[in-house]
Amino acid sequence: DTEVTQTPKHLVMGMTNKKSLKCEQHMGHRAMYWYKQKAKKPPELMFVYSYEKLSINESVPSRFSPECPNSSLLNLHLHALQPEDSALYLCASSQGILGLINSPLHFGNGTRLTVT
Amino acid sequence: GQQVMQIPQYQHVQEGEDFTTYCNSSTTLSNIQWYKQRPGGHPVFLIQLVKSGEVKKQKRLTFQFGEAKKNSSLHITATQTTDVGTYFCAGPGTGRRALTFGSGTRLQVQP
Repeated sequence: DTEVTQTPKHLVMGMTNKKSLKCEQHMGHRAMYWYKQKAKKPPELMFVYSYEKLSINESVPSRFSPECPNSSLLNLHLHALQPEDSALYLCASSQGILGLINSPLHFGNGTRLTVT
Repeated sequence: GQQVMQIPQYQHVQEGEDFTTYCNSSTTLSNIQWYKQRPGGHPVFLIQLVKSGEVKKQKRLTFQFGEAKKNSSLHITATQTTDVGTYFCAGPGTGRRALTFGSGTRLQVQP
């Protein structure tokens, strides 16, 4: 089980739909992350929020729009996605106090996204 | 881009055999972390290594950080079917801004 909660678990959407992925943690962590993982590949970093500010955007297309409403919540808004965006989207959090590269990541169960 | 390379990509062992996966970096790492992802699951943090030459054990798992802090290994003694999954190392990525995952080693254990 995990202390990072992601909803929904599964999502199927068309290319013209708008949807949002949600993530919540109550561990007091100050850094939150979105990773994308394709089958048999490692997680790839998309975005990092540190102290509720966007600190890293790994050149992600604008059809993915992150939002951090408060220190416990992280959203990923999806619009006009392509079939190749189908993947497992993982949210993670870390303490962030010692720096993003030094803090272990706590992952949620992920949202399995299929774009049709 | 990734700074840590991981080998092998895949290993199939008989239950009871040992298993080792290796991570290598071209640059010195401030720390290296290991994660396990079960099939259909999410990555779970196993351990963090920080010091040069550090060795840490968790039951049948032994983690090592090289003297030059450029490589690391995970060794599992007497594998069990519960060890099945993909093992990732993770270290500071390009620009050292956030963690980057190695390519992973998928372990299959034959009962």
